[in-house]
Amino acid sequence: GQSLEQPSEVTAVEGAIVQINCTYQTSGFYGLSWYQQHDGGAPTFLSYNGLDGLEETGRFSSFLSRSDSYGYLLLQELQMKDSASYFCAVRGSNYQLIWGAGTKLIIKP
Amino acid sequence: DVKVTQSSRYLVKRTGEKVFLECVQDMDHENMFWYRQDPGLGLRLIYFSYDVKMKEKGDIPEGYSVSREKKERFSLILESASTNQTSMYLCASRPNGGLGETQYFGPGTRLLVL
Repeated sequence: GQSLEQPSEVTAVEGAIVQINCTYQTSGFYGLSWYQQHDGGAPTFLSYNGLDGLEETGRFSSFLSRSDSYGYLLLQELQMKDSASYFCAVRGSNYQLIWGAGTKLIIKP
Repeated sequence: DVKVTQSSRYLVKRTGEKVFLECVQDMDHENMFWYRQDPGLGLRLIYFSYDVKMKEKGDIPEGYSVSREKKERFSLILESASTNQTSMYLCASRPNGGLGETQYFGPGTRLLVL
């Protein structure tokens, strides 16, 4: 079957750096995406990796290793507003997104 | 900015009722999706549509149907609501050729079936 694994919850301190990992097992792979969802809100697109390596967008970076079927989202200089759930999603062979269960990021002052 | 709207934020229905969830996008996107989101399960695809009058089953289509008569509107129908369909329903749209299949989501409809 197709699946994505990510931790259910991660806790970090304001101002720190946190990494959220995602491993995937899918039939076909056409890129790894990350979405953010605040409580009660809609998921919003954060980043996309189609090729191996690091993509940086401000305080957020995302990494992909296709040989390891692994990626991560790195959040730097954490702010309280970053408290949210983060989802990794892989575009599979049917060209639709397959989603991880989400990681709840808890930030403490 | 892309705007995806859903007809209701909260909905309470009784078992056996027919339920309509409406989604409208204003950016002329070809592709539209219906997901349900349950705690610990992430987003699961119910149906999607890549063009007017076209529909494809997702991972969990049982108990649901869809309609896309106009490009901007994608409706999800629960023919006979059951309690196990209590969930958050999210609509999304995506243009052809978008980066990484980036999807734009509506605010969601939280459905409670009693």
